Amino acid sequence: AQSVSQHNHHVILSEAASLELGCNYSYGGTVNLFWYVQYPGQHLQLLLKYFSGDPLVKGIKGFEAEFIKSKFSFNLRKPSVQWSDTAEYFCAVNAGDSSYKLIFGSGTRLLVRP
Amino acid sequence: SQTIHQWPATLVQPVGSPLSLECTVEGTSNPNLYWYRQAAGRGLQLLFYSVGIGQISSEVPQNLSASRPQDRQFILSSKKLLLSDSGFYLCAWSRQGAGTEAFFGQGTRLTVV
Repeated sequence: AQSVSQHNHHVILSEAASLELGCNYSYGGTVNLFWYVQYPGQHLQLLLKYFSGDPLVKGIKGFEAEFIKSKFSFNLRKPSVQWSDTAEYFCAVNAGDSSYKLIFGSGTRLLVRP
Repeated sequence: SQTIHQWPATLVQPVGSPLSLECTVEGTSNPNLYWYRQAAGRGLQLLFYSVGIGQISSEVPQNLSASRPQDRQFILSSKKLLLSDSGFYLCAWSRQGAGTEAFFGQGTRLTVV
């Protein structure tokens, strides 16, 4: 069965610091990978996604993620965070060959201090 | 453009009462539909998903059920609510086919008292 692990449950950074949020999944076949963001009081929004091709994916608001197949990882990065990046971030995986299930990690709460 | 509507936004129900949460999608046809429950520190737990009318897959045995009476309508139900059913419920849709991104509704905050 698919599963997703996000190791950092709470992260606190100062503005301009660099960000990396970890995401590991367990599934041996083809996968589609996603990062979603939930800003305070708002609904979940897609940040970026990986289906195939270049393993370095660029998303909205300066975020990027790198798919490393050998490590079963899809870590989210941003070189310089802003106060407005304060939100909860969710990694999600879908077994790309035949499954319709989208499985989410437990989320990481990011607080950026001005 | 596609939109997803989920209601009500908040609901307070007594233990033992029935539940019906409704979700509808506009602007697309034959979507995949999903119900999730979001709990603090536990992420989003997939409860049910549907790839077509009358086709429901259950992920977690529990006190809830789902139905899809129409192509773009997805209903989450319970005959008798338990205290443990309290939580934040999210409906989502994705385009037909495996591996497509999901779009989420605003959610329903259910409190069972």
